[in-house]
Amino acid sequence: GAGVSQSPSNKVTEKGKDVELRCDPISGHTALYWYRQSLGQGLEFLIYFQGNSAPDKSGLPSDRFSAERTGGSVSTLTIQRTQQEDSAVYLCASSLHSAPGDGNEQFFGPGTRLTVL
Amino acid sequence: DQQVKQNSPSLSVQEGRISILNCDYTNSMFDYFLWYKKYPAEGPTFLISISSIKDKNEDGRFTVFLNKSAKHLSLHIVPSQPGDSAVYFCAAVRYNFNKFYFGSGTKLNVKP
Repeated sequence: GAGVSQSPSNKVTEKGKDVELRCDPISGHTALYWYRQSLGQGLEFLIYFQGNSAPDKSGLPSDRFSAERTGGSVSTLTIQRTQQEDSAVYLCASSLHSAPGDGNEQFFGPGTRLTVL
Repeated sequence: DQQVKQNSPSLSVQEGRISILNCDYTNSMFDYFLWYKKYPAEGPTFLISISSIKDKNEDGRFTVFLNKSAKHLSLHIVPSQPGDSAVYFCAAVRYNFNKFYFGSGTKLNVKP
């Protein structure tokens, strides 16, 4: 597709279950970012990939969170043993490459709204 | 640590007037600043950016001003239109670190 897509758009799960969120970046974009937006908060950086490697995982809130990217394209964000505080909108973005600058802005997907009951 | 702050959660402006959205940051090492616009149920879309070596960047109705000594940037929208009603986020990043810091957003309402 032309833009960044994410699936599912909504996910309701029970506390303690694992969830997997998927991001399809724009074709040809080598950099991919995951963010989280909790209610009333700004975007919280989680992790970014350059190709398949993740140089910065410092934003992952706990070891229950992990992410991978294979083939330099699709990425999955996995949350194990979900907790209620994990409820948020999870946003994915991609850019041509990772260096910030003119013409290299991030394009965001519509997000996955995760609700943990 | 909240390195980028938007202290006004909301702003209401009359159509045709100027909208001024403000953003403050704490890290003087940031190299690049961006503004994004977000409609409900959609991801943010890039609006305009500015490098730390500049103090102004203009794109049509949108102008971003950077005051490095005050660690402050602002987005001016002139003239404001009802379609500009959205949540605006500012963001900052350091080159070579690629970790973007976002503010909490300001909800702009442009009244017809």
